[in-house]
Amino acid sequence: AQSVAQPEDQVNVAEGNPLTVKCTYSVSGNPYLFWYVQYPNRGLQFLLKYITGDNLVKGSYGFEAEFNKSQTSFHLKKPSALVSDSALYFCAVSLTGRRALTFGSGTRLQVQP
Amino acid sequence: EAQVTQNPRYLITVTGKKLTVTCSQNMNHEYMSWYRQDPGLGLRQIYYSMNVEVTDKGDVPEGYKVSRKEKRNFPLILESPSPNQTSLYFCASSLLPGGGRNEQYFGPGTRLTVT
Repeated sequence: AQSVAQPEDQVNVAEGNPLTVKCTYSVSGNPYLFWYVQYPNRGLQFLLKYITGDNLVKGSYGFEAEFNKSQTSFHLKKPSALVSDSALYFCAVSLTGRRALTFGSGTRLQVQP
Repeated sequence: EAQVTQNPRYLITVTGKKLTVTCSQNMNHEYMSWYRQDPGLGLRQIYYSMNVEVTDKGDVPEGYKVSRKEKRNFPLILESPSPNQTSLYFCASSLLPGGGRNEQYFGPGTRLTVT
């Protein structure tokens, strides 16, 4: 079975500082990894994905994530946080050929001015 | 504009009263899926569909039904809602292989309360 862990319920960071939102996964095979963001009263929006190739993936709004196979991690990062980045972030995983996307429990990011 | 729409956005109902939540996408996606979001649990898949007349159970299908008679529509049916189905529901769609390498597009959500 595949699973995703987001160990932090909430991450607080000051505006202008770098941010990291952690994600680890467990699958028996080669994973596809995704990050989605949810703003209040909105659906989830796709940020970025890792399919294959370069371990550093760049996505929307200046976010990036690094795939680390040995540590089974896919942490989301941004060099300089904005107040408007405050939202709920979800990591998700699927397996090659599998239809289901498995989500983590979500991490709330609060960026203070 | 490419989008996934859901109706209604908010619904309060009573135990046992059948209801349908509609979902429609205008991107000609083959794959559609329903999720429920509960605090601390993330999103869990209820049902999905690979194409017209092709549906299958996700991780939490009990108490739900779906149908896919047209490519663009994928309604979620609760024949006899119960309070434990109080949740936030999302419809999503993608190109095939859904849940695989392609990102999903989500609707705005339907907040359902069953009393």
